[in-house]
Amino acid sequence: GAGVSQSPSNKVTEKGKDVELRCDPISGHTALYWYRQSLGQGLEFLIYFQGNSAPDKSGLPSDRFSAERTGGSVSTLTIQRTQQEDSAVYLCASSLYRMMGYTFGSGTRLTVV
Amino acid sequence: GESVGLHLPTLSVQEGDNSIINCAYSNSASDYFIWYKQESGKGPQFIIDIRSNMDKRQGQRVTVLLNKTVKHLSLQIAATQPGDSAVYFCAEASRESGGTSYGKLTFGQGTILTVHP
Repeated sequence: GAGVSQSPSNKVTEKGKDVELRCDPISGHTALYWYRQSLGQGLEFLIYFQGNSAPDKSGLPSDRFSAERTGGSVSTLTIQRTQQEDSAVYLCASSLYRMMGYTFGSGTRLTVV
Repeated sequence: GESVGLHLPTLSVQEGDNSIINCAYSNSASDYFIWYKQESGKGPQFIIDIRSNMDKRQGQRVTVLLNKTVKHLSLQIAATQPGDSAVYFCAEASRESGGTSYGKLTFGQGTILTVHP
């Protein structure tokens, strides 16, 4: 596609429920990143996929968070047993291998009530 | 731990003035820096980048300056326009251990730029 697409754009869920957030990167981009942005804050790194290499999961805040990338393209971020502190905008970005200045999607705004 | 931070959380300017947004970084291994602009409800948008072998880079109405001695980065916007109103983030990256490629970006907290007509 022309840009990074994320769905849903907004998600309201009850505390304790699981949620899945989807990211469609730019076609041909081998690197894919997930970041989290809390209200009025900067971006917090979560996880990074690069080609067929093992993902860098060092930013995942707890074992309730996981992500996968199927076929080197679409990625899903899963949050199990959501908590109120998980409320944030979850941003996905992609880039060409070894090239930075990656392109962000518009994010998924997650609200846990 | 390593971090990237901003000196000024808010900046208000008049239309037509020049704007300067500052950023301090602490990771001496960082050798790649990017400025992003984020408008309300949107993801960050790439503005300009600079590598550590340079101290200045110019784009269209924007200039990034890098001072490695004091670990300082700035974004200058010439003839600021109302459409420039947004949150501006600096971000830094270093090469992955033992490798030649970059991994994650570390972002600062952001500066809110407001341009008054």
